[in-house]
Amino acid sequence: QSALTQPASVSGSPGQSITISCTGATTDVGAYDYVSWYQQRPGKAPKLMIYDVSIRPSGVSNRFSGSKSGNTASLTISGLQAEDEADYYCSSYTSTNTLLFGGGTKLTVL
Amino acid sequence: QVQLVESGGAVVKSGGSLRLSCTASGFSFSDYYMSWIRQAPGKGLEWVSYIGGSGSIIYHADSVKGRFTISRDNAKNSLYLQMNSLRAEDTAVYYCARGVETIPHWGQGTLVTVSS
Repeated sequence: QSALTQPASVSGSPGQSITISCTGATTDVGAYDYVSWYQQRPGKAPKLMIYDVSIRPSGVSNRFSGSKSGNTASLTISGLQAEDEADYYCSSYTSTNTLLFGGGTKLTVL
Repeated sequence: QVQLVESGGAVVKSGGSLRLSCTASGFSFSDYYMSWIRQAPGKGLEWVSYIGGSGSIIYHADSVKGRFTISRDNAKNSLYLQMNSLRAEDTAVYYCARGVETIPHWGQGTLVTVSS
């Protein structure tokens, strides 16, 4: 199975909002509300930011939000801060009982 | 607190074998599905395999099917990945992770380098 499709990079200025898309298919993103988003800083393990499409784990800033429409999920970060600069990955459970990740999006805070 | 500590990463020749281990603590290990996820140098995350709490449910990615085998020993709170017929494209940091569709806990990763 091919990876979920994410933009390679996005950027924004401090205080702005950005959205990262994650496009899959009717057999993964469109089939289940099991979409997660992870933040990864260089040399570190990924950190869970959103799960089940739109739920924030305890301790994650409410500046992070998730949504889904059809086969595309989205991560929105509002009030951008320098510390948000990182790579972001989406993932989805699939109809073949596997897990798919997106290719990753590099967020640059200008 | 939840801790996942991987070990076993090494430099191995193409065609060789390696066994990764992950020791878990801070939670009831047998209650949780566990996964292996890898990341090639400079690349994105790739799911490798997962196993159910009792070990009876197992899935592998097509890219490793027939070569890698996930297993667990609940008495030892340990997760394993037996990797055979290694290829250059298996070079990656391998993460042990708790969960499948939602992964709140990751290990620090262990590096596997396959040389030709």
